[in-house]
Amino acid sequence: QSVLTQPPSVSGAPGQRVTISCTGSSSNIGARYDVHWYQQLPGTAPKVLIYGTTNRPSGVPDRFSGSKSDTSASLAITGLQAEDEADYYCQSYDSSLTAWVFGGGTKLTVL
Amino acid sequence: QLQLQESGPGLVKASETLSLTCSVSGDSITRSNYWAWIRQPPGKGLEWIGSVFHSGNTYYNLSLKSRLNISADTSRNLLSLKLNSVTAADTALYYCARHHGNYVRENWFDPWGQGVMVTVSS
Repeated sequence: QSVLTQPPSVSGAPGQRVTISCTGSSSNIGARYDVHWYQQLPGTAPKVLIYGTTNRPSGVPDRFSGSKSDTSASLAITGLQAEDEADYYCQSYDSSLTAWVFGGGTKLTVL
Repeated sequence: QLQLQESGPGLVKASETLSLTCSVSGDSITRSNYWAWIRQPPGKGLEWIGSVFHSGNTYYNLSLKSRLNISADTSRNLLSLKLNSVTAADTALYYCARHHGNYVRENWFDPWGQGVMVTVSS
């Protein structure tokens, strides 16, 4: 059971918009710790997609955006493309566990 | 360009010690960053294992702390992980990664190594 909860899967057609939620608690996201998102393509290591809740590293398309409210965060992907098919993970810090924590991951399928 | 490369035995017997190293190239581990070990069981999600600073200061996942030792070798610019009394539950792809960001609790992990698969056999 992950500290941060994500839906196991989401899907969308090319060109559509999808969102992936990441629900935490008062000791992590609710404690105002930043949320970060990673994209893991099949057979590769995770790569940071969003850092500091809303920031994109250079090279990440602006189709990807992050937001946070209360104890939850979201990753939005607009203009869905086949190459976006991957696993996505949220990550934050938990003060009760004194640990960096991940969500369980969400598999995005592009229909 | 910073690169991380994990290495170690791919097969470990149950109850024995899993030992891995992470070679860091392109930068010195003595810069002001923590360095992390993260694992991913087959078909499952990511789990932070622990982190180390070049001075030797460590943070450990409480669920693994009693079996875990993570260290940094500044002379060879590498990180080490030792996990003892392993069971099948420790079978996973093990990654090393650099902490990134100004405040350690706000850190994210970037970049990551390619990972090394470790299977615990009975």
